[in-house]
Amino acid sequence: DGGITQSPKYLFRKEGQNVTLSCEQNLNHDAMYWYRQDPGQGLRLIYYSQIVNDFQKGDIAEGYSVSREKKESFPLTVTSAQKNPTAFYLCASSRQGMRKTEAFFGQGTRLTVV
Amino acid sequence: QQQVKQSPQSLIVQKGGIPIINCAYENTAFDYFPWYQQFPGKGPALLIAIRPDVSEKKEGRFTISFNKSAKQFSLHIMDSQPGDSATYFCAAPNSGNTPLVFGKGTRLSVIA
Repeated sequence: DGGITQSPKYLFRKEGQNVTLSCEQNLNHDAMYWYRQDPGQGLRLIYYSQIVNDFQKGDIAEGYSVSREKKESFPLTVTSAQKNPTAFYLCASSRQGMRKTEAFFGQGTRLTVV
Repeated sequence: QQQVKQSPQSLIVQKGGIPIINCAYENTAFDYFPWYQQFPGKGPALLIAIRPDVSEKKEGRFTISFNKSAKQFSLHIMDSQPGDSATYFCAAPNSGNTPLVFGKGTRLSVIA
């Protein structure tokens, strides 16, 4: 089945630690995205990548980092600089830019700082 | 930077009712306006989308109405069912080739 796989589904982090969230897609999509979802805040864009080896900051990139070394993979690292990392993180991909074609979302990773 | 204002924040309707969710956008980019549906603990999925060369699009019980002059679009759910209970997000184009901007979501509860 084609789709987007996020792992892990649940993740617990101690304060001061970096953690990496995995996102893999087998849809052969060029564009990939990371969103953060908090109650009442909707979907806020963290980073996006429209092509391998290139990515751009979204609206809330501070405290996060990404890489896009392979077309199918777009991991997100939540660094210790992110002051309030507890949230639901969603990865998405689209064949072209999201402005033109449907975006497909993964099932999300719920990150909790303990 | 595009701003998308979605209302209401939450909505409760009786089974068979017609919930209406509204979105307003600001900038002039207007080529693709999707609605996404999200169930608890899941990622959003595309529900229906409209391109503004038409004023209305219907797919099954879901209808998008688009008012270009007012920069508004809305989602109507006919004969709503408890299985429609979910959070709905509208989205609008941003400038250039940047990703869509999403509204803050509407949590819909359909009660039997």
